[in-house]
Parts: sequence; C-alpha cells; structure tokens
Amino acid sequence: AQSVTQPDIHITVSEGASLELRCNYSYGATPYLFWYVQSPGQGLQLLLKYFSGDTLVQGIKGFEAEFKRSQSSFNLRKPSVHWSDAAEYFCAVASGGGNKLTFGTGTQLKVEL
Amino acid sequence: NAGVTQTPKFQVLKTGQSMTLQCAQDMNHEYMSWYRQDPGMGLRLIHYSVGAGITDQGEVPNGYNVSRSTTEDFPLRLLSAAPSQTSVYFCASSYEALGYNEQFFGPGTRLTVL
Repeated sequence: AQSVTQPDIHITVSEGASLELRCNYSYGATPYLFWYVQSPGQGLQLLLKYFSGDTLVQGIKGFEAEFKRSQSSFNLRKPSVHWSDAAEYFCAVASGGGNKLTFGTGTQLKVEL
Repeated sequence: NAGVTQTPKFQVLKTGQSMTLQCAQDMNHEYMSWYRQDPGMGLRLIHYSVGAGITDQGEVPNGYNVSRSTTEDFPLRLLSAAPSQTSVYFCASSYEALGYNEQFFGPGTRLTVL
C-alpha cells in the first residue's frame, strides 16, 4: 500500500529565509505526487504536482519541488518565504489507476516577522 | 463557477443522530470523494465515486454511506453519529478518475458529535 511521510510536524522560519519541507513516499510504481496548502479554516489548494518528465516542477506562489526517485522524496522548496505562506502543507501520492489520494500528516509552517 | 460547495459549514450532533453532509460541484467532474481530517493524521479517504451511479469505499468507510445519483452531487450520510466521527470533512472533485488529475476541494464541514 502507498504511504507518505512528512517528518516535520512544525517548522518555523523567518520571513525572507529559504524553506524546504520534506516528503517521502512509498509506492511500487511511478507515483503521482502533489503538494497542497491549507490556510487556517480553508480547504486545500494545489501548489504543484509531478507525474512525469522534468523532476523539478514549478508551482504557484513561487514554490517548487524536486522528485528524487532514488530517495523516494518529493521535497517542497521556496527561496524566500513571505508571512502569508504561514499555513499547513500536505504532501500526497495518488495511485496510477485512480484518484485516491494518500496524504501525509502535514507540516505546519510558522513565519516569524 | 462556484467550484465545490459544501453545506453546512458547522454542525453539532448528539450521539445516535443522523445527518447528511451535502457536496456539489458545477465543473462537470466525473470523480468525487469525501475525506475526513483529524489532527496529526492528515486527510483520509472515506468514499469516492468515479461517476453517477458508481461509488466505492476508501480507507475509513465505516459509519458512512454515500450515493451518486447525479454528476453534480455527492452527499455523505452519517446514519448514527458517534463521537469518533467528530472531524472536519472535505469533499473533492476532479475531471476524471486518473491519478494525475488535480482534485479541487470544498471549504469543509466541521462536525462535532457530543
């Protein structure tokens, strides 16, 4: 069965600092990988996704993620964090045969001004 | 487009009561699903549907029923609410039931069972 691990429950960064959120997945075949962001009291919004091709994918709001098959990782990065990036971030994997998403437990990002 | 809408936003139930959480989408999406979100557990799939008349179980289906009579609507029914069903419920939809399709999420329903 597929699974996703987000090892960091909470992360605090200063505004303007760089950010990397870790995600490791377990899935037998080529995975479809996603990063979603959830602002307080809101639903989830897609930041970016990977399913084939270039292993470095660009998303909205200046985020990017790199797929590394050898490490089973799909880490999310941003060069300079803004206070409005404070939110909860979820990594997810979908099976090739359908849209059933398996989510990680999330990483809560706090941005210090 | 309104996207994915969910009603109600908040609900308090007593143990044993029944209720239906409503979900609708106006994007003509074939795939719809229900997730529950609990602290420290991420989102877990309850039920999903790949088209009108077709539903299937997800990871945590016990205590919940669904039906899909139209493309637009996918209600989630709690037949006899239990405190363990206190959670935030999200409905999502996507164009097709293919792994690479983006899923669009509703704003959620916060349910408390006393």
